[in-house]
Amino acid sequence: ETGVTQSPTHLIKTRGQQVTLRCSSQSGHNTVSWYQQALGQGPQFIFQYYREEENGRGNFPPRFSGLQFPNYSSELNVNALELDDSALYLCASSLSIAAALTDTQYFGPGTRLTVL
Amino acid sequence: DQQVKQNSPSLSVQEGRISILNCDYTNSMFDYFLWYKKYPAEGPTFLISISSIKDKNEDGRFTVFLNKSAKHLSLHIVPSQPGDSAVYFCAASPPYSGGGADGLTFGKGTHLIIQP
Repeated sequence: ETGVTQSPTHLIKTRGQQVTLRCSSQSGHNTVSWYQQALGQGPQFIFQYYREEENGRGNFPPRFSGLQFPNYSSELNVNALELDDSALYLCASSLSIAAALTDTQYFGPGTRLTVL
Repeated sequence: DQQVKQNSPSLSVQEGRISILNCDYTNSMFDYFLWYKKYPAEGPTFLISISSIKDKNEDGRFTVFLNKSAKHLSLHIVPSQPGDSAVYFCAASPPYSGGGADGLTFGKGTHLIIQP
């Protein structure tokens, strides 16, 4: 039990729609990172938020955006969904930016998104 | 271009024997390496890590070896138990530079199956 929760567990959308995924971090964790895990692949870094501002982004287009709130919750928004966006989306929380690169980052169970 | 490679998609080992999972990396800037274990419908959970200043780290049944000159690390599990059956991900990170985050870089994972 990592104390990181995500909702919903599963979601089905159609191509072109927009989706919002939610994450609740451990209390006190001001850094949240989002990862996309496609089938048969390892998690791939989407972006990180620190104190409610984006602090780094992987190789993902601007239609992937996020928000982080003062109550340690955060959102991942994806616009204009494509079939290739079907994946498991993981959020991970940590006490600091540096901690997000170490063993003190904790992953949630993920949201499985299917785009038809 | 995969910077972290796990070339064995699956590995089957008899209960009680040693399991050896391998990982190779190409980015010489990586200085911290982690192994995660993932069960279906759960997020990755941290297993063991190693800093580039060490060549071995041990935690109970789990040992990670790092060969920096070969850019290779391995995870040894001995003795293997049925509960060890899971997907294992190798991940790597560069030192935190104070700038924008890059996140962890993951391999594709190895599905370890422990046979009774």
